Amino acid sequence: AQKITQTQPGMFVQEKEAVTLDCTYDTSDPSYGLFWYKQPSSGEMIFLIYQGSYDQQNATEGRYSLNFQKARKSANLVISASQLGDSAMYFCAMRGANAGGTSYGKLTFGQGTILTVHP
Amino acid sequence: DGGITQSPKYLFRKEGQNVTLSCEQNLNHDAMYWYRQDPGQGLRLIYYSQIVNDFQKGDIAEGYSVSREKKESFPLTVTSAQKNPTAFYLCASSVGQIWNQPQHFGDGTRLSIL
Repeated sequence: AQKITQTQPGMFVQEKEAVTLDCTYDTSDPSYGLFWYKQPSSGEMIFLIYQGSYDQQNATEGRYSLNFQKARKSANLVISASQLGDSAMYFCAMRGANAGGTSYGKLTFGQGTILTVHP
Repeated sequence: DGGITQSPKYLFRKEGQNVTLSCEQNLNHDAMYWYRQDPGQGLRLIYYSQIVNDFQKGDIAEGYSVSREKKESFPLTVTSAQKNPTAFYLCASSVGQIWNQPQHFGDGTRLSIL
């Protein structure tokens, strides 16, 4: 079974500052992918960044980076230079693969963190 | 532009009524998924389909049904057996059984009970 834990129900950050959203995971799958999604108040889920379990380097996508610590089973999202438009719910999710490298596709989501960016 | 279209955006159900939520994608993705989101919560998987004419139950399939007659379409029916259907429903698609590919989501349908 897979489990994602996001321990921060809400976070506040000042505009232009950096913020870290925490995510820890648990899985017995030999390979897995970790994903972060942004959900604005309008409801759509926007894919932000991906980290593979075998990736040697931390993933980066523009202002988003992932602090991946495999031994600690954590995959924290770092948003640099926060903008007012970053205010949203953020979800960490995981997708595992069996030893053959295939996945039945399920994304397991955490409970989410509401980020509020103050001007 | 490629994407996933869900309709309607808002839907109201009467007691004892079945309602169908539409999900269409033009991304040429093999896999499609339905998730349910309750207020302040993460997403839970209802059903998924990896290929046309095949689908599997997710974690909370009771009271729901799906079909996959075309690659582009994966409608979800909320039956009268689903006693608490009020939620936000999200449809997603992905390239397939490739674990490192993200799922892409539609804009969702909000279902409420009249």
